[in-house]
Amino acid sequence: NAGVTQTPKFRILKIGQSMTLQCTQDMNHNYMYWYRQDPGMGLKLIYYSVGAGITDKGEVPNGYNVSRSTTEDFPLRLELAAPSQTSVYFCASTDDRGLDTEAFFGQGTRLTVV
Amino acid sequence: GESVGLHLPTLSVQEGDNSIINCAYSNSASDYFIWYKQESGKGPQFIIDIRSNMDKRQGQRVTVLLNKTVKHLSLQIAATQPGDSAVYFCAENGSGGGADGLTFGKGTHLIIQP
Repeated sequence: NAGVTQTPKFRILKIGQSMTLQCTQDMNHNYMYWYRQDPGMGLKLIYYSVGAGITDKGEVPNGYNVSRSTTEDFPLRLELAAPSQTSVYFCASTDDRGLDTEAFFGQGTRLTVV
Repeated sequence: GESVGLHLPTLSVQEGDNSIINCAYSNSASDYFIWYKQESGKGPQFIIDIRSNMDKRQGQRVTVLLNKTVKHLSLQIAATQPGDSAVYFCAENGSGGGADGLTFGKGTHLIIQP
């Protein structure tokens, strides 16, 4: 199994540009999450989804959007990139026990906004 | 809001020695705690978890201790190896369940000296 796969691994954006961070998992997990990790900090939850067609805001959702049309995919959209969105983004998934169990993380997408 | 914090940002140990990484949490409602390991350039990887009805749990070379009285969590790594070099995060499920309740600490960087 590939687990959780994120693309791209690295990206540089100019201020005001938009992009989509892709995330897919092959474990048939209903719960998926997007986190951002700033240098020297822990992870902060951006958005999460408990199943296809259902999404909800996390701790830091401003400037981002998500969709969940299938169980496998949970893309994160940045519409107007800002320098404050420079970070490493991690996608994760869990089974239906949610965050009362192990989360599987992708390798991360390192985004720089200049 | 509630937060999870670590006592030391960096811990340096000799190869072969035992390592102890500490974590304090403030939400008395937390009932599930996880330790993650993050190697450079990779996503967090689950190490071990513990529920609030336990005070100790052991894995392979790792032990997690939970002291609910003082809201303290620790990760003990026995016979530390070079491959243990990483940043270690504690996380807690402060809201008592669900997809949005996981809070990460800032991390402790474990450095192994030969």
